[in-house]
Amino acid sequence: KAGVTQTPRYLIKTRGQQVTLSCSPISGHRSVSWYQQTPGQGLQFLFEYFSETQRNKGNFPGRFSGRQFSNSRSEMNVSTLELGDSALYLCASSHTGDITPETQYFGPGTRLLVL
Amino acid sequence: SQKIEQNSEALNIQEGKTATLTCNYTNYSPAYLQWYRQDPGRGPVFLLLIRENEKEKRKERLKVTFDTTLKQSLFHITASQPADSATYLCARNSGGYQKVTFGIGTKLQVIP
Repeated sequence: KAGVTQTPRYLIKTRGQQVTLSCSPISGHRSVSWYQQTPGQGLQFLFEYFSETQRNKGNFPGRFSGRQFSNSRSEMNVSTLELGDSALYLCASSHTGDITPETQYFGPGTRLLVL
Repeated sequence: SQKIEQNSEALNIQEGKTATLTCNYTNYSPAYLQWYRQDPGRGPVFLLLIRENEKEKRKERLKVTFDTTLKQSLFHITASQPADSATYLCARNSGGYQKVTFGIGTKLQVIP
């Protein structure tokens, strides 16, 4: 099976712009989670989607949003970019996203640089 | 908030020795803890999961313990090799479903 794929891998934007990142989960996986990783804060949970519904949300401002499509592919959007949004954005998928713990499979990430 | 702390940002160890990484959590005991490995420029890779009712879990050269009294998990790599050099992340469940809180990670360097 192909792993989790994320596009684009690298992105440079300027302050005030918006950006959309894409994630394709492993085939058959229905839960997709998004994380932001920075050197100072580590991996921080953004949100999780399952069957096109957001089930969990982290402590990020409303500028960060996401959605999931019927084929489980997911996108996240960041509007009005700030310098502090520069980070590695990681997507992870799991099979059923059940309440019991499941292995999450991470993609390679999208490196976003905001100038 | 449910915090998770990895108290060593970096750990250097000689090849062949056992590396021990520490993960401490606050507030209520998580239902489970997970350990991941992350190499530079890549996403984390799942290694082991241990539930709160399990004291120890093993997988090849890896061993994880879970002490609910000390609010701590230890991650051991025995007979460490240079290829084990990476950042190791500890994570706990922090809400329903797949909501997970990660520690900042410990960068392990195995010296030949």
